[in-house]
Amino acid sequence: GQNIDQPTEMTATEGAIVQINCTYQTSGFNGLFWYQQHAGEAPTFLSYNVLDGLEEKGRFSSFLSRSKGYSYLLLKELQMKDSASYLCAVRPLRIGGYQKVTFGTGTKLQVIP
Amino acid sequence: KAGVTQTPRYLIKTRGQQVTLSCSPISGHRSVSWYQQTPGQGLQFLFEYFSETQRNKGNFPGRFSGRQFSNSRSEMNVSTLELGDSALYLCASSRDSGRIGTDTQYFGPGTRLTVL
Repeated sequence: GQNIDQPTEMTATEGAIVQINCTYQTSGFNGLFWYQQHAGEAPTFLSYNVLDGLEEKGRFSSFLSRSKGYSYLLLKELQMKDSASYLCAVRPLRIGGYQKVTFGTGTKLQVIP
Repeated sequence: KAGVTQTPRYLIKTRGQQVTLSCSPISGHRSVSWYQQTPGQGLQFLFEYFSETQRNKGNFPGRFSGRQFSNSRSEMNVSTLELGDSALYLCASSRDSGRIGTDTQYFGPGTRLTVL
């Protein structure tokens, strides 16, 4: 099975940097996704990591360490509109079948002035 | 390119009734997944369809069912509704051509179901 852990809530100040961590345990690994979800809206895709290292995309960066089962999402120059839930999701390795994506319960980030 | 669309956006039903929700994936996407989201529970996986076949199923009772048509559009049905079925139902599609990254899921706006 798969187990994904993220902090439940975080608070950060506008203009600052925040790091949201995600740890996972899977029977295999084939990719990790990060999504942003504003209250009452659908999740929107942020990033996808399949290899170790840092992927940068504007103010958002995502890091993956497969050996440690660890990822983080880094948000720079925080803006009020970044207040949302951030979901980590893992795709296990396909072995003799097809494995579904499993989502963590999400980290609710509040950005304060 | 149009995104994932879901109809209806809002629905109010009473206990015991049944409901059918519809999802149209992004053009060219063959995989459609359904999720239930309630406050504090996160995204709970219902099932996934690929080329009209159910490829994966979550731990939901048999009252929850789905299907996919040849044009990749998908429907899910919930029979004998219970109060606990009140939730946001999200549909997500992916191209899933077998190449890395094509299994990224893109979500529709969801259908908010209220059971009274």
